[in-house]
Amino acid sequence: ELKVEQNPLFLSMQEGKNYTIYCNYSTTSDRLYWYRQDPGKSLESLFVLLSNGAVKQEGRLMASLDTKARLSTLHITAAVHDLSATYFCAGHLMNRDDKIIFGKGTRLHILP
Amino acid sequence: KAGVTQTPRYLIKTRGQQVTLSCSPISGHRSVSWYQQTPGQGLQFLFEYFSETQRNKGNFPGRFSGRQFSNSRSEMNVSTLELGDSALYLCASRNSPGVLYEQYFGPGTRLTVT
Repeated sequence: ELKVEQNPLFLSMQEGKNYTIYCNYSTTSDRLYWYRQDPGKSLESLFVLLSNGAVKQEGRLMASLDTKARLSTLHITAAVHDLSATYFCAGHLMNRDDKIIFGKGTRLHILP
Repeated sequence: KAGVTQTPRYLIKTRGQQVTLSCSPISGHRSVSWYQQTPGQGLQFLFEYFSETQRNKGNFPGRFSGRQFSNSRSEMNVSTLELGDSALYLCASRNSPGVLYEQYFGPGTRLTVT
């Protein structure tokens, strides 16, 4: 059964700093997703990672996937206050279960 | 293209009552999944419907049920509500299961059980 663990679960950082959120998963995952959620709002898709070595970037966020290590990272460069949100990773295993399993989320608080 | 819509957005119910939530997927999407989000348990998968059939189910008691209509709209029902059922219920749609289509989330229904 696919399990997804994120760390840290809470991160408070200063504007302008860099940091990385880690997402480990327990079995082979056919896809890895990153989502953003603002308080009281729904999930917004950020990245979909398909294959080993995949790297995607959007603004100050960059996601990567290492399928051999079963690890995905979300790197934040020169953080700004607007990036404060909860970030979720999710694994998708295409077997007969075909479920998308979420990590517990990382609550990111960026201090001005 | 309109996004996933959910109704109602907010709901307050009393223990023991039942509730029905509705989800309309993105036009053309035939698969609808439901998730429960709570501060303690995070995002947990409830079930997925495709072509009016439940094809996947999470680890929730039988009080949680759902259905899907021929137009792909889906409803979920929770009977005999408990305080612990207070949560944000999210639905997500995708083109179809069995293919690696990304899913898109609705705004959610915030259920409070008193």
